[in-house]
Amino acid sequence: DTEVTQTPKHLVMGMTNKKSLKCEQHMGHRAMYWYKQKAKKPPELMFVYSYEKLSINESVPSRFSPECPNSSLLNLHLHALQPEDSALYLCASSYEQGRPQPQHFGDGTRLSIL
Amino acid sequence: DAKTTQPPSMDCAEGRAANLPCNHSTISGNEYVYWYRQIHSQGPQYIIHGLKNNETNEMASLIITEDRKSSTLILPHATLRDTAVYYCIVKANAGGTSYGKLTFGQGTILTVHP
Repeated sequence: DTEVTQTPKHLVMGMTNKKSLKCEQHMGHRAMYWYKQKAKKPPELMFVYSYEKLSINESVPSRFSPECPNSSLLNLHLHALQPEDSALYLCASSYEQGRPQPQHFGDGTRLSIL
Repeated sequence: DAKTTQPPSMDCAEGRAANLPCNHSTISGNEYVYWYRQIHSQGPQYIIHGLKNNETNEMASLIITEDRKSSTLILPHATLRDTAVYYCIVKANAGGTSYGKLTFGQGTILTVHP
């Protein structure tokens, strides 16, 4: 069982829809991450939040909008996505961004864009 | 961050030790070696990490060469449930604009046979 909880597990949406992915952790971690993983490829970093502030944006298109409302929650708001955005979206958390303590991952949201 | 090189696939008999190599010849002094694995349809699972000393935990052992240019992950008694993609990642934890980022390579697909 993972200590990082992601909801929903599966999401199907049209290109004009607006939806949100949610990630929650209660380990007291102050760094949270979004990754994207296409089929048969390794995960790729999208965003990093450190102490609820955006620290890294890996040049992600604006149709993906992250939000960190508090230290336990991380959201990814989706709008006007394209079929190529279909992927597994993974959330992770760690003690702090610059510390050696490892990142812990959720099991992801599998997103399909129609 | 330094790049890593891993064999694309390996096989192991159940009950035997699985030794997964990783080359990171350009590793710098402040970079740690991390190992994660990803079982199908799950998020990456942290296994172990180290800086320069060998490390052991309940899951595995990590052997880092003295020059730190390569490492080996050892699963002492592989089971069928250890079949997964294993990622070796080098990560800086301080300094620069990308500290704390996990950059996944292609990994090694380990298949454990009965």
